[in-house]
Amino acid sequence: EVQLVQSGAELKKPGQSLKISCKGSGYDFSTYWIAWVRQIPGKGLEWMGIIYPGDSAIIYNPSFQGHVTMSADKSIDTAYLQWNSLKASDTAIYYCARHTTGEGVTVYLDLWGQGSLVTVSS
Amino acid sequence: DIVMTQSPDSLDVSLGERATINCKSSQSVLYSSNNKNYLAWYQHRPGQTPKLLLSWASARESGVPDRFSGSGSGTDFTLTISSLQAEDVAIYYCHQYFETPYTFGQGTKVGIK
Repeated sequence: EVQLVQSGAELKKPGQSLKISCKGSGYDFSTYWIAWVRQIPGKGLEWMGIIYPGDSAIIYNPSFQGHVTMSADKSIDTAYLQWNSLKASDTAIYYCARHTTGEGVTVYLDLWGQGSLVTVSS
Repeated sequence: DIVMTQSPDSLDVSLGERATINCKSSQSVLYSSNNKNYLAWYQHRPGQTPKLLLSWASARESGVPDRFSGSGSGTDFTLTISSLQAEDVAIYYCHQYFETPYTFGQGTKVGIK
């Protein structure tokens, strides 16, 4: 089955670090860009950026650059999203999703993970 | 960044009636060299993962009921649910993949009247 499976819910304190994961299966993980999408409770979807697991090329949304780090390990078909110092405002559901390719570029998101709830509270 | 603005923010429709959601982009998402609109629609049901409904503004994904249709070009797009069913209660998002950072509309919540 083609799927993305994310790590579970996390409860952290402000200032702590965190790394969440997204594991692909059923397709060639290395050859599709993976996006991270944030959903703050009660709010809409925000595209944080993408990583290409094949060579770890990354394109960040400038709104998120510097606060999160994307990485990938193609040997285990897994992408990661990492924070070095969490803030309460990072409380959200984080989805990973696969960008399919079309017309030679990354296009729409055709496969989504189940989401990882990150709660940051003192 | 391309700003995507949806209207209305929410709407309630009777079962079997038509629901119409609009999406406007701050700049054109039509790529002139291939005449394709780089615009997708997603359905996000409560407690579930977002689901791709339409790509290229009007191309329905496999398995998506034909009551869902998309139209528009350039900067103005519409998602229509021709006959609302109970399982269509969800938040609907438009999404441009014309240029990075890719962006979403703020979402339109569809409920039952």
